[in-house]
Amino acid sequence: DTGVSQNPRHKITKRGQNVTFRCDPISEHNRLYWYRQTLGQGPEFLTYFQNEAQLEKSRLLSDRFSAERPKGSFSTLEIQRTEQGDSAMYLCASSLGTGMKTEAFFGQGTRLTVV
Amino acid sequence: QQQVKQSPQSLIVQKGGISIINCAYENTAFDYFPWYQQFPGKGPALLIAIRPDVSEKKEGRFTISFNKSAKQFSLHIMDSQPGDSATYFCAASRLSFGNEKLTFGTGTRLTIIP
Repeated sequence: DTGVSQNPRHKITKRGQNVTFRCDPISEHNRLYWYRQTLGQGPEFLTYFQNEAQLEKSRLLSDRFSAERPKGSFSTLEIQRTEQGDSAMYLCASSLGTGMKTEAFFGQGTRLTVV
Repeated sequence: QQQVKQSPQSLIVQKGGISIINCAYENTAFDYFPWYQQFPGKGPALLIAIRPDVSEKKEGRFTISFNKSAKQFSLHIMDSQPGDSATYFCAASRLSFGNEKLTFGTGTRLTIIP
């Protein structure tokens, strides 16, 4: 296990279709984050899990978005009824969560294109 | 509402020169200020980070300067190299709140020319 793994790397979908992305964090990390990054912008926080509990959701996460982390291991992010505005890079990050000396490690992201 | 403002948007520096990127924040509850480096097609990678109890942190060619009263911090890259060409993001979080949720700046595309 050399880092955070995200699949697929690229996804092209038609507007209105549902898509699901997967994130496998670093194995001992208990915290997992989803971010969205559009072209020319910094990543924006979407949601955060500690183990299997979803502790925080951004207002950016509309009702069409849902994230899960069953058993506190991998996580999935599903977007229902995709819209062209959903086109972005979706980044996952994980951390060990050991207090004030912790670092979030990012995966390479899933680039979503809605046509 | 942009809580972390970053400038410049792009920067061109000659090889061997000093690259300087600036950030300003609004939320005084932020207590952790990392800089991330991102290459095309890759996720951001932590470069260096600082807590507000120090005014400067240096790691190799990379230095963060932090001004708590002005709510500003900057990244200095000394002896800039072509391999430093990437997009740099400043960020801030509230580690004391119990997680590393990051608020990012808009990024600076750095190009190092020979």
